[in-house]
Amino acid sequence: EAGVAQSPRYKIIEKRQSVAFWCNPISGHATLYWYQQILGQGPKLLIQFQNNGVVDDSQLPKDRFSAERLKGVDSTLKIQPAKLEDSAVYLCASRAPGDNEQFFGPGTRLTVL
Amino acid sequence: GEDVEQSLFLSVREGDSSVINCTYTDSSSTYLYWYKQEPGAGLQLLTYIFSNMDMKQDQRLTVLLNKKDKHLSLRIADTQTGDSAIYFCAECSSASKIIFGSGTRLSIRP
Repeated sequence: EAGVAQSPRYKIIEKRQSVAFWCNPISGHATLYWYQQILGQGPKLLIQFQNNGVVDDSQLPKDRFSAERLKGVDSTLKIQPAKLEDSAVYLCASRAPGDNEQFFGPGTRLTVL
Repeated sequence: GEDVEQSLFLSVREGDSSVINCTYTDSSSTYLYWYKQEPGAGLQLLTYIFSNMDMKQDQRLTVLLNKKDKHLSLRIADTQTGDSAIYFCAECSSASKIIFGSGTRLSIRP
């Protein structure tokens, strides 16, 4: 079974630029999560999707961050414009219906200069 | 509010047992998890425990849960160099949201 795929693995941009991350969850996983993991901290949930609907985006900075999962499969997370404090690893995870376990992708490491 | 705390570092000798401790705040948490993160990799679920259990053992791993004190621990028996990683404690809150601690970096001495 293929795992959660994310791209790119690394991204370096200057502040005020835009960036987008892509996630392909495990086939059949209806629930998809985006987390932000700042160096030295645990992952913090940004947004949770159930199929193509948003379940929880209470911690998503909506003035600059957006995410979509239009067809209920792949998802993209966008930051526009980026700030220095957005430097972090962005993790995508997915979960099968009725399962307790979230499966994590390798993450995208974003550096904002 | 919801919060999960753990110590930042732990150093043990190879072959000894490692014990990583965690405290959480949400008394209605249904599941508590231990994740492992190796450099450059995503998080891997090691084990989890239901909130109505006191202990769970899985090969070299033993999880102890003290609900009264909201304390969770992970014991790794016969610690090996491959166990070097960051270990995250996490709780599944009443809102079905997983809250992670800041992670404990485990290093192994020869």
